[in-house]
Amino acid sequence: GQQVMQIPQYQHVQEGEDFTTYCNSSTTLSNIQWYKQRPGGHPVFLIQLVKSGEVKKQKRLTFQFGEAKKNSSLHITATQTTDVGTYFCAGSEAAGNKLTFGGGTRVLVKP
Amino acid sequence: GAGVSQSPRYKVAKRGQDVALRCDPISGHVSLFWYQQALGQGPEFLTYFQNEAQLDKSGLPSDRFFAERPEGSVSTLKIQRTQQEDSAVYLCASSLEDRGTYGYTFGSGTRLTVV
Repeated sequence: GQQVMQIPQYQHVQEGEDFTTYCNSSTTLSNIQWYKQRPGGHPVFLIQLVKSGEVKKQKRLTFQFGEAKKNSSLHITATQTTDVGTYFCAGSEAAGNKLTFGGGTRVLVKP
Repeated sequence: GAGVSQSPRYKVAKRGQDVALRCDPISGHVSLFWYQQALGQGPEFLTYFQNEAQLDKSGLPSDRFFAERPEGSVSTLKIQRTQQEDSAVYLCASSLEDRGTYGYTFGSGTRLTVV
């Protein structure tokens, strides 16, 4: 079945630094979504990417969908303490079908 | 309502007990999903409804798990004869349409502990 892997599992970042987290799917995706889950909270939708090679930005966050639609990345610039949490990518093989979540990247920010 | 509402927030069950978890999605949302999230893991798909139709239940771990959404609104996930490995957070998510273009809105979850 479809598998979605994320690396790194943990990311310790100094406040103000940049970092990137990566997501890889075992199968070609129809779309990929990114979610953020704060400690003790629930996943909150950030963005959806649909097109091959698509790049979207939300303030300090840049999301990219690979050309083959099997991988994605999230790049955060100038990390802030509010960025603490776990970032999940979730892929769908067909529009409206179930999302398969990766294991997440847990981000800790050192002030 | 303004968001996806789940109840109870916490549930402690004795091994062998039956439990029922409720999800009240955002009004008008067509798609409804149930996910299971173990500690430190990503959410794992359980089942999917489009209105009242259960279109995919491939993620249900065993026949002890049963979900329904009889009127296409509120959904209930029932677990019979609970076992310790059922301990997890059960998340419900809903989406306005089946394409999920605007993402899925998750509820706060029900944390189930089986003792």
